[in-house]
Amino acid sequence: AQSVTQLGSHVSVSEGALVLLRCNYSSSVPPYLFWYVQYPNQGLQLLLKYTSAATLVKGINGFEAEFKKSETSFHLTKPSAHMSDAAEYFCAVSAGDTDKLIFGTGTRLQVFP
Amino acid sequence: EAQVTQNPRYLITVTGKKLTVTCSQNMNHEYMSWYRQDPGLGLRQIYYSMNVEVTDKGDVPEGYKVSRKEKRNFPLILESPSPNQTSLYFCASSLDGRGRANYGYTFGSGTRLTVV
Repeated sequence: AQSVTQLGSHVSVSEGALVLLRCNYSSSVPPYLFWYVQYPNQGLQLLLKYTSAATLVKGINGFEAEFKKSETSFHLTKPSAHMSDAAEYFCAVSAGDTDKLIFGTGTRLQVFP
Repeated sequence: EAQVTQNPRYLITVTGKKLTVTCSQNMNHEYMSWYRQDPGLGLRQIYYSMNVEVTDKGDVPEGYKVSRKEKRNFPLILESPSPNQTSLYFCASSLDGRGRANYGYTFGSGTRLTVV
């Protein structure tokens, strides 16, 4: 069975600082991994996904994530935070033979001026 | 515009009064799913559908029903709502559900349900 653990329910950074949101996964089969962002009062929007191609995945809005099998991690990073990045971020995993997504509990990112 | 449309966006109801939350997608997707989002718990799958007339339980199906009579629609039915069903609900769709595309879901904007 698949699962994801997001470390830190809240992360605060200053504008211009590095953003690092942590996600560790558990999967008995090669996983597909996703990061979604949820802005206030909106649905979830796909940021990026890993589907067994390149291990470094680039997404929208300057975000990227690196798949590290040895660490079972898929951390999300952005070199320089912007105020507009304030949102909740969800990591999700699925097996390769189904589209069912298992979500983490989310990390709320705050960006201070 | 490709989208998943949920209605209503906000709903306050009383315990025991049947309600339906509608979900419609215009992308000809085969796979549709309902999730509920609760603080500290993330999103949990309620029901999903692989295609017309094919539905199955997710991880938290108790107290919910669904139907898939047409490809585009996947309504969520609460026959007798209770306060513990107060939550934020999302409908989502994807291409075929068997992971071959697996480009992720398209989500609706959510329905915030309060049961008093």
